[in-house]
Amino acid sequence: SAVISQKPSRDICQRGTSLTIQCQVDSQVTMMFWYRQQPGQSLTLIATANQGSEATYESGFVIDKFPISRPNLTFSTLTVSNMSPEDSSIYLCSVGQGAGGELFFGEGSRLTVL
Amino acid sequence: GENVEQHPSTLSVQEGDSAVIKCTYSDSASNYFPWYKQELGKRPQLIIDIRSNVGEKKDQRIAVTLNKTAKHFSLHITETQPEDSAVYFCALQKASGNQFYFGTGTSLTVIP
Repeated sequence: SAVISQKPSRDICQRGTSLTIQCQVDSQVTMMFWYRQQPGQSLTLIATANQGSEATYESGFVIDKFPISRPNLTFSTLTVSNMSPEDSSIYLCSVGQGAGGELFFGEGSRLTVL
Repeated sequence: GENVEQHPSTLSVQEGDSAVIKCTYSDSASNYFPWYKQELGKRPQLIIDIRSNVGEKKDQRIAVTLNKTAKHFSLHITETQPEDSAVYFCALQKASGNQFYFGTGTSLTVIP
């Protein structure tokens, strides 16, 4: 298993500002993913955080809005840029163990944009 | 991403009855299918999974079946208990890239 620490756990932000969420894992992992979970909804994959290279974004998500860093195999950040109320959501960091391996989640970062 | 359809969206059962949730998918190359349980305010937790080389897997009161030909898989919970009340998500892992895609979720309520 993997222990994933995410921060902040929650924040209230003003429209137009940006916020960076940090994800720290207690062991080296090959796969890190960022998900968004809007209230009462499912988990939507934002992007795959690739170590040492640009993240791979899913359809509907772009780097300018959600820049991602992954400087090493245990750490990643997701920035939500130029926030609007529609960005109010829970953002979840997750790590995978390879093909057919369990996906573990951090506790999530609940963002409220006013 | 990959399309994963999940039904029903809500399910209420009497304590002790069984609950069945079904998911269908389109990517025939997917070969790993986990189920997650998410309690209110908490992160999703894996409860059971199945790989494409088997058709059924059971763990106490929980079982999962997979029909790769028809591209659907189901979660079965027997002898339901109030603590089974939660939102359940099916998921699949894409064969290329290993990303996970989730179904729309089923809110299960077990009535005491």
